[in-house]
Amino acid sequence: EDKVVQSPLSLVVHEGDTVTLNCSYEVTNFRSLLWYKQEKKAPTFLFMLTSSGIEKKSGRLSSILDKKELFSILNITATQTGDSAIYLCAVQNQGGSEKLVFGKGTKLTVNP
Amino acid sequence: NAGVTQTPKFRILKIGQSMTLQCTQDMNHNYMYWYRQDPGMGLKLIYYSVGAGITDKGEVPNGYNVSRSTTEDFPLRLELAAPSQTSVYFCASRGHMNTEAFFGQGTRLTVV
Repeated sequence: EDKVVQSPLSLVVHEGDTVTLNCSYEVTNFRSLLWYKQEKKAPTFLFMLTSSGIEKKSGRLSSILDKKELFSILNITATQTGDSAIYLCAVQNQGGSEKLVFGKGTKLTVNP
Repeated sequence: NAGVTQTPKFRILKIGQSMTLQCTQDMNHNYMYWYRQDPGMGLKLIYYSVGAGITDKGEVPNGYNVSRSTTEDFPLRLELAAPSQTSVYFCASRGHMNTEAFFGQGTRLTVV
């Protein structure tokens, strides 16, 4: 059974801190790993990772994938209160099934 | 751009009632998904479809049914509502293999 495990489940930091969110996975026929940010409503897309060791970056957010060790990290530097959200990791498989399986998410709270 | 549209936004059902959650996308996407999200949790896959006429079970299909008669529409049916089905339901669609999934704004369902 495909599995995505995120840690920590909850994290409280102060503005300006740097955080690292973790996502490990077990999936047959891995295709890609995706990160989403969810505030009050629908998840919004952050990154898609398909190759090991290649960092994706957008402003203060960055992410990298390790396909050998089956995990990814999402880094947020100089956190702001607007970064408070649930961060979701999802894995896509391939080969006919094309499922998209999510982890439980990490709830990040950034205090002023 | 409409994207993924879900209706209704909110619904209260009595135990034993049935209803259909509607999901329509106008992006000509092959892949569509239904998820439920319980408070403080990630997204659990209910059903998914890789194209018109093809559906498959996800992690938590019991108590639900789907159909995919057209590329655009992927309705989710609850036949005998139970309190355990109180949740927020998200529909998502994806175009090709290595693209992100786009989400609807969700349906908040309460079963009393």
